[in-house]
Amino acid sequence: AQSVTQPDIHITVSEGASLELRCNYSYGATPYLFWYVQSPGQGLQLLLKYFSGDTLVQGIKGFEAEFKRSQSSFNLRKPSVHWSDAAEYFCAVGLKAAGNKLTFGGGTRVLVKP
Amino acid sequence: EPEVTQTPSHQVTQMGQEVILRCVPISNHLYFYWYRQILGQKVEFLVSFYNNEISEKSEIFDDQFSVERPDGSNFTLKIRSTKLEDSAMYFCASTLTGVGGTEAFFGQGTRLTVV
Repeated sequence: AQSVTQPDIHITVSEGASLELRCNYSYGATPYLFWYVQSPGQGLQLLLKYFSGDTLVQGIKGFEAEFKRSQSSFNLRKPSVHWSDAAEYFCAVGLKAAGNKLTFGGGTRVLVKP
Repeated sequence: EPEVTQTPSHQVTQMGQEVILRCVPISNHLYFYWYRQILGQKVEFLVSFYNNEISEKSEIFDDQFSVERPDGSNFTLKIRSTKLEDSAMYFCASTLTGVGGTEAFFGQGTRLTVV
């Protein structure tokens, strides 16, 4: 069955430290890949997306993600975390052959220590 | 920047009552969606809508749910007889060309509480 997994439910990181959030998918073909962020009480904001081409994609707020086909992964990274990055992060995938919709991972909640 | 707007932001309703959640998608978008997120759980797809009809729906989207685009700008989700387990955050989204073409823009959500 098709699925999206975010192995880490919570991550705590110190301000200024680097951050990496993991995302793995299980699909028969390479899907379209997205990372969304949800701040408390807010909606879902797109950080970045991968459709094709360069496997390292840059997004907003200093985030980047790398698509690795061999590992079926699309991990999100940020070199230096700011306190405002505290939020919940969702990996999502879409595949036209699987319907015109997004399937979300369970989310990773990021806490930032001063 | 264009945005998807949802109203109300929070709705409390009694079990068995009908609720209508409203969304105004981005004006030139063609594909519309409802997702929901039960507290502490993942965001789940409910239904997609294109060309004035449902293009796909999930198992969650049973006969108690319906969607409508009544006037070319609004996109509504109706729950006919709410149950306690319908309590969740409901997100509306829209895209120009569907998954893979362009990104999906999400609204701020409507928190539905069924008591």
